Amino acid sequence: EIVLTQSPGTLSLSPGERATLSCRASQSVSSYYLAWYQQKPGQAPRLLIYGASNRATGIPDRFSGSGSGTDFTLTISRLEPEDFAVYYCQQSGTFGQGTKVEIK
Amino acid sequence: HLVESGGGLVKPGGSLRLSCAASGFTFSHAWMNWVRLAPGKGLEWVGRIRGKPEGGTTDYASPVKGRFTISRDDSTNTLYLQMNSLKTEDAAVYYCCVEKRISSQEPQGWFDPWGQGTLVTVSS
Repeated sequence: EIVLTQSPGTLSLSPGERATLSCRASQSVSSYYLAWYQQKPGQAPRLLIYGASNRATGIPDRFSGSGSGTDFTLTISRLEPEDFAVYYCQQSGTFGQGTKVEIK
Repeated sequence: HLVESGGGLVKPGGSLRLSCAASGFTFSHAWMNWVRLAPGKGLEWVGRIRGKPEGGTTDYASPVKGRFTISRDDSTNTLYLQMNSLKTEDAAVYYCCVEKRISSQEPQGWFDPWGQGTLVTVSS
């Protein structure tokens, strides 16, 4: 079973700064299967990125995904106030433990 | 569009059935999943049921295998999660979601859209 490890656990940044979130798989995975989600308190998760680098419908272009093999990255180029949330990577039936992006 | 219902308070060892009403897409062909979020924890996949072309087969996460059953009624566009022998660690918000794939040949994909979730509390 593949394990996804996200880092850091918490990222403290200010609006306007760049956020770089990491997702490492315990074994190589196809880029087709790697997705990223955003979740805010009391809300359902929202798909951001699928296939490692494809933005979902309606997702701003400040969100980008990259990576292959075992190492994947979600980048938020300039944080907006609404971007402070928890982010999860996912491959099939496995989620990473999440990275919380909080206001510094 | 997905709307879950059926959550509530149940005692340990009890049973509960969740429903997820779907609209706006061809439900019978959709791969449907249940994912949960326990208090203070991260997202956890519960299980999936494949679409009619794939025979409606199911997969389950290890913690729920043998206790939970996913089923579907394509005539009413409804997904179900039957939860038996509930434990306190099953307490969570349960979401239904559609699994989309790059192509119909792929064995897995990503989850979109999601319902708003239904809360299950397991306590004596």
